Amino acid sequence: AQKITQTQPGMFVQEKEAVTLDCTYDTSDQSYGLFWYKQPSSGEMIFLIYQGSYDEQNATEGRYSLNFQKARKSANLVISASQLGDSAMYFCAMRPSGTYKYIFGTGTRLKVLA
Amino acid sequence: DTEVTQTPKHLVMGMTNKKSLKCEQHMGHRAMYWYKQKAKKPPELMFVYSYEKLSINESVPSRFSPECPNSSLLNLHLHALQPEDSALYLCASSPTSRTSGANEQFFGPGTRLTVL
Repeated sequence: AQKITQTQPGMFVQEKEAVTLDCTYDTSDQSYGLFWYKQPSSGEMIFLIYQGSYDEQNATEGRYSLNFQKARKSANLVISASQLGDSAMYFCAMRPSGTYKYIFGTGTRLKVLA
Repeated sequence: DTEVTQTPKHLVMGMTNKKSLKCEQHMGHRAMYWYKQKAKKPPELMFVYSYEKLSINESVPSRFSPECPNSSLLNLHLHALQPEDSALYLCASSPTSRTSGANEQFFGPGTRLTVL
């Protein structure tokens, strides 16, 4: 069965520090995409970063980077230099190639402290 | 224009009412999605349209009826809902390129639905 696991229900980080949000996935597919989304309290889901299963380099987008370890089936999100506006729920998701079905993890609520 | 719009933002309805949620995008995406999200839970997929045809229905009760009139619009018609259907309803769209998994979803701001 395909599954995304986020083991950290909640995290705290001090402003300007880096934080890692964990994500592991389970799939027997060889081709898939991994995504991270941010959901502030307003409700909108904001796409942050994408990693393809065949990508050899870890994805980076500004302050966001994805630590992709394929053999361990992990796709952790690293946020550098945290800002107060980073406080939100973060979801890891997987999309097997050839489908429109995105599988979401249970989310991690991040709180950035001033 | 990288925006998905949803109307209304908030909706309160009785169990006997009929209402509709509307979603619109002008990014040329040919896949559109409806999700239901309860508080502190991940989004649950309800329906997917690809090229204006229903391609996924996640065993959603018939009181929810989706419609895709054209490639930019997606509606969700609501009838005889139950209080447990109260949730945030999110619409999303994505490209449909054949490259492996590269099609990120763009989400709208959602409609907060309350069923009394």
